[in-house]
Amino acid sequence: DAGITQSPRHKVTETGTPVTLRCHQTENHRYMYWYRQDPGHGLRLIHYSYGVKDTDKGEVSDGYSVSRSKTEDFLLTLESATSSQTSVYFCAITGGPLSGYTFGSGTRLTVV
Amino acid sequence: GIQVEQSPPDLILQEGANSTLRCNFSDSVNNLQWFHQNPWGQLINLFYIPSGTKQNGRLSATTVATERYSLLYISSSQTTDSGVYFCAVPSFGNEKLTFGTGTRLTIIP
Repeated sequence: DAGITQSPRHKVTETGTPVTLRCHQTENHRYMYWYRQDPGHGLRLIHYSYGVKDTDKGEVSDGYSVSRSKTEDFLLTLESATSSQTSVYFCAITGGPLSGYTFGSGTRLTVV
Repeated sequence: GIQVEQSPPDLILQEGANSTLRCNFSDSVNNLQWFHQNPWGQLINLFYIPSGTKQNGRLSATTVATERYSLLYISSSQTTDSGVYFCAVPSFGNEKLTFGTGTRLTIIP
């Protein structure tokens, strides 16, 4: 399997608290993505990165920020978690726009 | 942005049956991928298939880019084929994939 890991795998947090999810890869891939998956909505892109310190917004970026200070790590931060951010979060990596994606195992986040 | 539609939304089959899943997209693309999400939630890349046909064991996929559709064929279904199948295509300069809403496949023993 490709070297991509997400942490934590599960998290329960309270409304209003900050939360950071981590995606770590050992493939030296340039592109990294954060998606969220919700019933009835499929997979929606939150933010993505096309290199160290190069990031951009996806279709559902409000309430989220990201950082990529080194190739292998892409962090997703919920500045002040809300119940609407309860979801399963997936990280994905790819070597280029015309290459296949590889997904991490996901993080199940519950905001209470 | 590009629209991706998958059909059927749900499919229930007996073990051993064959199935065809369809993905239609609204604009020309040069990257199309099929994924399988198993019942434990793991997303597995099945095919990267911008055009033509590819086969991997009991699974094969065909993309007709000029007509804006792709088909995923599963032959001799097994219970381990159960899950949700997604197709995904790029939008906005090919850096980001847009996913369809998926086809949920249930294989009954």
